[in-house]
Amino acid sequence: GAVVSQHPSRVICKSGTSVKIECRSLDFQATTMFWYRQFPKQSLMLMATSNEGSKATYEQGVEKDKFLINHASLTLSTLTVTSAHPEDSSFYICSAKAIGQGSNSPLHFGNGTRLTVT
Amino acid sequence: GENVEQHPSTLSVQEGDSAVIKCTYSDSASNYFPWYKQELGKGPQLIIDIRSNVGEKKDQRIAVTLNKTAKHFSLHITETQPEDSAVYFCAASRDNYGQNFVFGPGTRLSVLP
Repeated sequence: GAVVSQHPSRVICKSGTSVKIECRSLDFQATTMFWYRQFPKQSLMLMATSNEGSKATYEQGVEKDKFLINHASLTLSTLTVTSAHPEDSSFYICSAKAIGQGSNSPLHFGNGTRLTVT
Repeated sequence: GENVEQHPSTLSVQEGDSAVIKCTYSDSASNYFPWYKQELGKGPQLIIDIRSNVGEKKDQRIAVTLNKTAKHFSLHITETQPEDSAVYFCAASRDNYGQNFVFGPGTRLSVLP
């Protein structure tokens, strides 16, 4: 149980285009999902917290107009990288916590999306 | 805010030996501590977790210990196997509700056959 599916796993796009990444909780509902960015050989950096039915909360230094987050349902959150540039190339990972889980319970991660902007 | 440190950054052990990874945290309010294993090109997978009301937890070859007074917790892997090779991240809950985690910088474990 507690499977999080993330698509696409890899994407290559040209500078100036936009890319959408989907994060789905397959067998549970999640009011909150999290989006991370990970650089090579580094830890996960939280970008934003995605709340179902409301605006996302962005971490300091993350441009909300650059990284658009939509949490349209209890099982789907999307991250859109707008007007992508080569410096946006990275590994993006989502995670989710199931509704009804206690306050101290694990996050379940997707398998990540490798974005390469040429 | 919470800060999590993790050591060592890299660790190589012979197959069959034990591996220990240590983490410290700064926020005494943190009360949930998961450990994640990340294989190359994949997302992190939970391997074990511990809550603040417990000092030790074990699951087969994996164990975690927690010292809340000293604010440190450790991952112990016994009888290591090549498939244990991965990057391991510790984390601490950032607020009282444990919604957001702060991750350590990671430890790259290599188990040599």
